[in-house]
Amino acid sequence: QKEVEQNSGPLSVPEGAIASLNCTYSDRGSQSFFWYRQYSGKSPELIMSIYSNGDKEDGRFTAQLNKASQYVSLLIRDSQPSDSATYLCAVNSGANNLFFGTGTRLTVIP
Amino acid sequence: NAGVTQTPKFRILKIGQSMTLQCTQDMNHNYMYWYRQDPGMGLKLIYYSVGAGITDKGEVPNGYNVSRSTTEDFPLRLELAAPSQTSVYFCASSLSVGIGASNEQFFGPGTRLTVL
Repeated sequence: QKEVEQNSGPLSVPEGAIASLNCTYSDRGSQSFFWYRQYSGKSPELIMSIYSNGDKEDGRFTAQLNKASQYVSLLIRDSQPSDSATYLCAVNSGANNLFFGTGTRLTVIP
Repeated sequence: NAGVTQTPKFRILKIGQSMTLQCTQDMNHNYMYWYRQDPGMGLKLIYYSVGAGITDKGEVPNGYNVSRSTTEDFPLRLELAAPSQTSVYFCASSLSVGIGASNEQFFGPGTRLTVL
């Protein structure tokens, strides 16, 4: 069973702070890593993908991957109330499907 | 582009009834997927398809069937609804698999199903 683990939260940060979301995975052969944002009652929306070790930045979002530690994280800088959502970590091991974590609920307090 | 569309948005079924959840994508993606999401949980893969005429089981296929007669459509069939199938169902698609942007999955809006 390939597992993807996330802290379920809730994680609360004040507006303007950095939110840090973490994810670990069990399959060492995993190749593709994704962060999805899911607002309550809505479908998951892809916000970041990362495929190689290191950092990848896109606007206020930075994804970090460490394959040796089997760890992927998402940093949200200058957090806004509109960032309040559940963030799903997803891992693809080269096969035809993604394995999802249970998500971390983030609340940004104005 | 409408992306991935799903119908219906909501449905209530009685135990033992059957229904089909519809999913259509207009992005010419080869791969399509059905997931279910139970409250407070991540998504579990039910079935997936790598192209027209080819389908395969995911993590939780029992109680469901699928078909893929065209690139665009990937319906999910529930034959004998059970309360355990109460969930939100998401359809997704991707261009291909493997490393790179082409394997990113895009999701439809979901179908909220209740079985009583």
